[in-house]
Formats: sequence, C-alpha cells, structure tokens
Amino acid sequence: EVQLVESGGGLVQSGGSLRLSCAASGFTFRSYWMSWVRQAPGKGLEWVANIKHDGSEKNYVDSVKGRFTISRDNAKNSVYLQMNSLRAGDTAVYYCASEGLGSSFEYWGQGTLVTVSS
Amino acid sequence: SYELTQPPSVSVSPGQTASVTCSGDKLGDKYVSWYQQKPGQSPILVISQNKKRPSGIPERFSGSNSGNTATLTISGTQAMDEADYYCQAWDSLVVFGGGTKLTVL
Repeated sequence: EVQLVESGGGLVQSGGSLRLSCAASGFTFRSYWMSWVRQAPGKGLEWVANIKHDGSEKNYVDSVKGRFTISRDNAKNSVYLQMNSLRAGDTAVYYCASEGLGSSFEYWGQGTLVTVSS
Repeated sequence: SYELTQPPSVSVSPGQTASVTCSGDKLGDKYVSWYQQKPGQSPILVISQNKKRPSGIPERFSGSNSGNTATLTISGTQAMDEADYYCQAWDSLVVFGGGTKLTVL
C-alpha cells in the first residue's frame, strides 16, 4: 500500500521557519519526482515546488523562491520542505505528492497544516 | 505565467451527465490531469494524461482535451460525486486550475 505521511506543520510567527517532512512507502520512491502542493483555507490547490528523482533539479513557484527549499533523501524515502521567512499568506495545508506520467500526481499525503500568525 | 481557468461551480441532477471545463492557451498540446477533492480529504487523481483512468476510478469518469479546452465528463452522476474538481497541467512548471464545485441536486 502506498503511503505518504507529512509531518512538521504547526503555528509559527511571521518571519519564522518550519521544516516539513514527508515519509514515503509502498512504491519505488527514488524513481519519482516529488512535489509539495498547498491549499490555503477555503481556497484551491497551489503547486509549491518539486524535485527530480536524484535531487539534481528543483523548481519553485515564484512566490516562494528564495524562501523555501525542497530536498530529498532517497535512503530514507523522504522529501522535505524548508520554509523560511514565513508570511501570513503561506498559511495552508501542505501536501506532498508523487508525480507520475504526464506530470500527474498519483499519490497524495494527508497534509500538514501550517499556520503563520502576524 | 500559464493559467488554467475553470468555472467556479457546476450543477447536475442525479443520473445526468456533468461536464467540467478547463481552459488555457493551446491546452490541447499539453497533458491534463483531473483531481477530485471532498471536504476535509486529500485530492484524488481521477484522470491523467487527458483521458486515462487510474485503477479504481469508476468508468463514468472520462476526459478529453483539444484546442484550448479540456473537459472532465461524469456520466450518470451520483450523489457521491459531489466534490471540488481541479484540472492540472505542466507548462515549464506545474499549474492548477482554480477548481470547480460540482453540486448534485
């Protein structure tokens, strides 16, 4: 059974930092691009960042460039999102997801809530 | 940056066909995926690569993509299909549509 389990969310003050983790199991993690997708309360889905199988390529949405860093550890079947200089607008549920053929997101975690207080 | 546009809401009667559209410049040249999300739950992939149904997705879900518009079609819509639906494509970066709330009434 495929599982993606996020952790690390919580309440942080504006300007603070958090590190999200996503532990994967049930599939060949090292063969997949991985993404972080977020959803602000009552809003739609927003892609945040992704990382290639071997970590050699990373992409970010403009609004988080320079503040967020995606990384992965294939030995631990895990992907991470380091979030610095957090803003109220970053408040959202953050999901990790695996990218399959055609850049579709086959598997999703349950999400972890990040709340940034001003 | 690339944008995908969806209608905010679509209504359908039980047993009828629901169509949710997603528009974008030359969208037919790209692969489009569709996700279903129910309140408090994570999204579920229902259509990938324009028209492929993942394992476990009912046959009543189908997709098409041509020109500037992709369409998710739900035939014989059931009450359980009431949810938010999002389209998604890739244009140098991943892009999601704004979402469509499907109401079955």
